[in-house]
Parts: sequence; structure tokens; C-alpha cells
Amino acid sequence: KAGVTQTPRYLIKTRGQQVTLSCSPISGHRSVSWYQQTPGQGLQFLFEYFSETQRNKGNFPGRFSGRQFSNSRSEMNVSTLELGDSALYLCASSFGLAGPNQETQYFGPGTRLLVL
Amino acid sequence: AQTVTQSQPEMSVQEAETVTLSCTYDTSENNYYLFWYKQPPSRQMILVIRQEAYKQQNATENRFSVNFQKAAKSFSLKISDSQLGDTAMYFCAFMKHSASGSRLTFGEGTQLTVNP
Repeated sequence: KAGVTQTPRYLIKTRGQQVTLSCSPISGHRSVSWYQQTPGQGLQFLFEYFSETQRNKGNFPGRFSGRQFSNSRSEMNVSTLELGDSALYLCASSFGLAGPNQETQYFGPGTRLLVL
Repeated sequence: AQTVTQSQPEMSVQEAETVTLSCTYDTSENNYYLFWYKQPPSRQMILVIRQEAYKQQNATENRFSVNFQKAAKSFSLKISDSQLGDTAMYFCAFMKHSASGSRLTFGEGTQLTVNP
């Protein structure tokens, strides 16, 4: 079974621009979660989508948004980029239902975003 | 809110030896999961092992085992017969059991180096 895939793997943007990152979950998984990883803040939860609905949200400004499609693929958008948005963005998928096997998250390889 | 603490920023071990990574957490929840993930230089986050809080038996996965002390809120990872490929950043993570969505809360990470 194919793992979680993320595109693009690397991205360079300038301040003020916007960016869209994509995540395709493991087949059969309906939940996609997004995390931001930086050297200073570590790994922080952005949001979770399940069946095209945002189910959980972390403490990030409204510039960070996402959506999920009917095939469970998810996109994350960051508008008006700031230097501090430079990070590794990881997505993780799970079945999204209650139970240890259902809730365990499996990660993609990440998208490295550099904001200049 | 849950917090996860890994007090060892760096550790090293000789190949074939055993090493233990420490993790403590703070929560008022009773039903939750604990995970260890590893992140090698490729930055791919890989699930190592999972522990359900309601299980008294410690989880094991081949050379990896945990020591779960629920009352002490401690969750350490033991790696036996260390291999060069175990070199990675190891993250301890907490997830509250919930039918309405889940998120991982990560510790700061422990960089493990396995020396030949």
C-alpha cells in the first residue's frame, strides 16, 4: 500500500506571496492532519480534516487554511507569507475513527518551505 | 492542555548496545495513546511504537520496547542491539483518545547517534 505523499517537496517563496501544499493520504484513510516543524517551535499541530470537514484546529493565524476533497486529498494554503513561515510542513493520515489502529497517524515526507 | 517533555536533547550509543530514551507527559485525561516516532536525516517521520494507556502490558516491536508508567506519567523507549540505521531524532508524542478528532502533541525530541 502506498504511503502518504506530499507535493511539492521543496518550495521557495518571497514574503507576501501565498503557497499551496498538497497531501495525498494512504488509501482508505479519511483523516489528514497538518503539522509545522521549525527549529525554534518544534512540531506544532495546524489542523485536521475528516470527510471534507475541519475537525480540529491548532493555534495558528487565519493566514493558514486548508481543505479536503472527496477523495480525502488535502491542501494547505498559507497567504501573505512571512519569514517565520519557513518550515517543514508535514501531513499525516489515519482512518480517523475511534480506536488505536484507527487513530494512529502515518506521515508523509514533508514539504520544505523557504520564505525569502 | 497536554505537554510532553524529553529531557535528553542528545544521546549516543555504541553499535549493538542498548539505549533508553526518556519521556514524561502531563495530562488529566484517562484514555490516550503514546507514540514514539523517529525522524532520520531524510526528515521522514516514521512510527516506531504505540502504547495504549488502558493497557498495562508494555508494547514491543522487535528491538524496540517501552516502559510505560501511567501513574508516574513516564514513557521511555528502549532500543536493544542498536544499529547504525537507528541514528535519528526521536520524538515522543501524546494523543488524546477522541471520537471527534485527534491531534499529536510532540516533545522536543532526542537526537540519537549510533556509533560504529
